[in-house]
Amino acid sequence: EVQLVESGGNLVQPGGSLRLSCAASGLTFSNYWMSWVRQGPGKGLEWVATINQDGSKKYYVESVKGRFTISRDNARNSLFLHMNSLRAEDTAVYYCVNFLHWGQGTLVTVTS
Amino acid sequence: EIVMTQSPATLSVSPGERATLSCRASQNISSNLAWCQQILGQAPRLLIHGASTRATGIPARFSGSGSGTEFTLTISSLQSEDFAVYYCQQYNNWPYTFGQGTKLEMK
Repeated sequence: EVQLVESGGNLVQPGGSLRLSCAASGLTFSNYWMSWVRQGPGKGLEWVATINQDGSKKYYVESVKGRFTISRDNARNSLFLHMNSLRAEDTAVYYCVNFLHWGQGTLVTVTS
Repeated sequence: EIVMTQSPATLSVSPGERATLSCRASQNISSNLAWCQQILGQAPRLLIHGASTRATGIPARFSGSGSGTEFTLTISSLQSEDFAVYYCQQYNNWPYTFGQGTKLEMK
């Protein structure tokens, strides 16, 4: 069974930083593109960032470019999202996704 | 950026009846379209990819069709567990984009 388990969500002040992690199991992690998708409170889904299998290609939605960095560690079957200069509008549940499977999400709240 | 537009925003259907949900892309995305289901309080799950291929474990009552800019998700005989929000999503061009969702509610 494929499992994607996110962690690292927290309450943070505007301008702060967080690192989200996703631990993958039940799949050959290094074979898959991986992504982060977020959902603001009461809102729809927004694709945030995607990374290819070896980490050489990364794509970001415009609103997070220069602030967020997606990375992965294939030896540890892990995906990361480094978030800097956080804003109130970044408040959301962040999901780890490999297209076929979704994690349960981790909540990031940006507030003073 | 490709804009995905879903209709209707809310669809009221009785259990056992058929539901038809629509999704339109602002430009040609070939068959690079997925449908996801989100039950209230849960994470989304993939139903359909490649516009018409059911994901593993998805019941046959879910079917997808279309290509180019017009797509449809059909649920042939609604079960109680199907009442949820449905999102279409294009993965033809980055940034990948979602529609705003269709809420399927019980009539």
